[in-house]
Amino acid sequence: GAVVSQHPSRVICKSGTSVKIECRSLDFQATTMFWYRQFPKQSLMLMATSNEGSKATYEQGVEKDKFLINHASLTLSTLTVTSAHPEDSSFYICSAPGLKETQYFGPGTRLLVL
Amino acid sequence: GESVGLHLPTLSVQEGDNSIINCAYSNSASDYFIWYKQESGKGPQFIIDIRSNMDKRQGQRVTVLLNKTVKHLSLQIAATQPGDSAVYFCAEKLASNTGKLIFGQGTTLQVKP
Repeated sequence: GAVVSQHPSRVICKSGTSVKIECRSLDFQATTMFWYRQFPKQSLMLMATSNEGSKATYEQGVEKDKFLINHASLTLSTLTVTSAHPEDSSFYICSAPGLKETQYFGPGTRLLVL
Repeated sequence: GESVGLHLPTLSVQEGDNSIINCAYSNSASDYFIWYKQESGKGPQFIIDIRSNMDKRQGQRVTVLLNKTVKHLSLQIAATQPGDSAVYFCAEKLASNTGKLIFGQGTTLQVKP
């Protein structure tokens, strides 16, 4: 089946630094990808829709200047957490639509901000 | 429906028993529903889906039931195994959008040997 990868799988950074997370569709093209955030023992919260060749669409309450999204090609979307703070520590997951309405999820990236 | 910042409810079952996990969704305009399984530290894994024009769909050991009248979705797992232990989420897709999923609260399934 279709595979979505994320890199890195986990990252630890200092407060105030920026962190880039990559999401790749490995054997299919995705004009749209989705970014989710998940805090411990909670559900997935949709952050934004990444659109190839155009601006991302952010959900209400998500700061677009803090969570920069770039969808530069049909197989790659990146999420950059700028000036990260401890409250940004979370599990970030991306997904890409497949055939019909199937969504394929990446393995997630664990971010810890010290 | 919209997920909220609550801790996940837990369902504990004996190995070999059947499990029923429930989900209430919020939007009557949703036309597609999916159940996902998430193991610790991993991304969600597709289990089974159902469209709004159906009320039941069966897979291998799993059945999804949809009741649009009360906006309720359930996942039935037959002969539950230790490997089924995970968090289970339902997700809904609005008919009007291009694939955006809204996740439910989630339920932790614990299978006792």
